[in-house]
Amino acid sequence: EPEVTQTPSHQVTQMGQEVILRCVPISNHLYFYWYRQILGQKVEFLVSFYNNEISEKSEIFDDQFSVERPDGSNFTLKIRSTKLEDSAMYFCASKGLADVLGEQYFGPGTRLTVT
Amino acid sequence: GQSLEQPSEVTAVEGAIVQINCTYQTSGFYGLSWYQQHDGGAPTFLSYNGLDGLEETGRFSSFLSRSDSYGYLLLQELQMKDSASYFCAVRDRRNRDDKIIFGKGTRLHILP
Repeated sequence: EPEVTQTPSHQVTQMGQEVILRCVPISNHLYFYWYRQILGQKVEFLVSFYNNEISEKSEIFDDQFSVERPDGSNFTLKIRSTKLEDSAMYFCASKGLADVLGEQYFGPGTRLTVT
Repeated sequence: GQSLEQPSEVTAVEGAIVQINCTYQTSGFYGLSWYQQHDGGAPTFLSYNGLDGLEETGRFSSFLSRSDSYGYLLLQELQMKDSASYFCAVRDRRNRDDKIIFGKGTRLHILP
């Protein structure tokens, strides 16, 4: 069964450093998303991406964040200058055109630890 | 603003039935989804209600009342593997894509 993959599974970085989180969505999906989940809290929407552009972003997704689909398979989230409060689990998700129920398929997540 | 309310924790006995309620207040609404998340895992889709009424998928059922901004997830014949967090989530489809607004989650504890 096709699945969303994410790398790395765990990233440790120092405050102020740039990080890139990588995702490979399901191959025939057209809609891509990033969410984050601070430990013990709810899953929060960051950004949605369709047709090679951001379609919506949340208040969390400020100028320090960017997304890119550099080729036909990868979808990346970049945090330019990490802060301690960026420590969280980051989930990538994708959705196909045929998913009429709106089901989003989540990757296993990248745990980002900012020290 | 956007808010979804659900109980933070629920405890039930193996083999029993449990209902997890969710009320929502969101600026956009297209449907209500439920996701399951085991500790350390990713959310996985359980069910979706776009219209009022009950949707059944095996041991799980989900209900929606749009007029009451209310829904619930019903889990029957509980198994130990059902111990997880359950999130109600509003599907907010105002563009061509979908944004999911998640509730804070209900931690389900199952006793043997």
